Amino acid sequence: GDSVTQMEGPVTLSEEAFLTINCTYTATGYPSLFWYVQYPGEGLQLLLKATKADDKGSNKGFEATYRKETTSFHLEKGSVQVSDSAVYFCALTLKAAGNKLTFGGGTRVLVKP
Amino acid sequence: NAGVTQTPKFQVLKTGQSMTLQCAQDMNHNSMYWYRQDPGMGLRLIYYSASEGTTDKGEVPNGYNVSRLNKREFSLRLESAAPSQTSVYFCASGTSQGWNSPLHFGNGTRLTVT
Repeated sequence: GDSVTQMEGPVTLSEEAFLTINCTYTATGYPSLFWYVQYPGEGLQLLLKATKADDKGSNKGFEATYRKETTSFHLEKGSVQVSDSAVYFCALTLKAAGNKLTFGGGTRVLVKP
Repeated sequence: NAGVTQTPKFQVLKTGQSMTLQCAQDMNHNSMYWYRQDPGMGLRLIYYSASEGTTDKGEVPNGYNVSRLNKREFSLRLESAAPSQTSVYFCASGTSQGWNSPLHFGNGTRLTVT
């Protein structure tokens, strides 16, 4: 079946450090890929998305590139802030599945001042 | 803009008790979803409703029932709660503006079954 694998956390960084969260997927078709972020005590909100190979999604300084050849969608940010502390989820959806999302396990990121 | 509203925020049940989790959205979205979030497992789909009047099972439907009361509201019922249902439950909604439109999530209900 379809699945998403992302690196386990927690990831602890200092402010202004470089962040990478790895995400790889397995899918029976051609998925669209998403990163969602969950801040403490809140629901998930969309961070960025990419719908076809080589697309780059970007938002709030975060970027991720859809790599079909390696079935990956790694999330990066060049200089993190304390306010980036959250849980990050990689997810995919397929046309046959409609809006239904398949999520990775989530990666908790803690940024220290 | 309320978005997706879930009630209650917290609930403690004893094994065998029943309860209904409520969800309402004010974005005129067609599809609605119930997910559960467990540590290290991400979010798993329990049930969904692609449009008013329809409901379907997701990945982990056992022990749950749902009702799509109208376009705005989608409730999740636990008839006889079990400790394995201790989790955080999220409701989400989505448009029909394309199969890969993002979902909008509520803030969750934290349920503990003792």
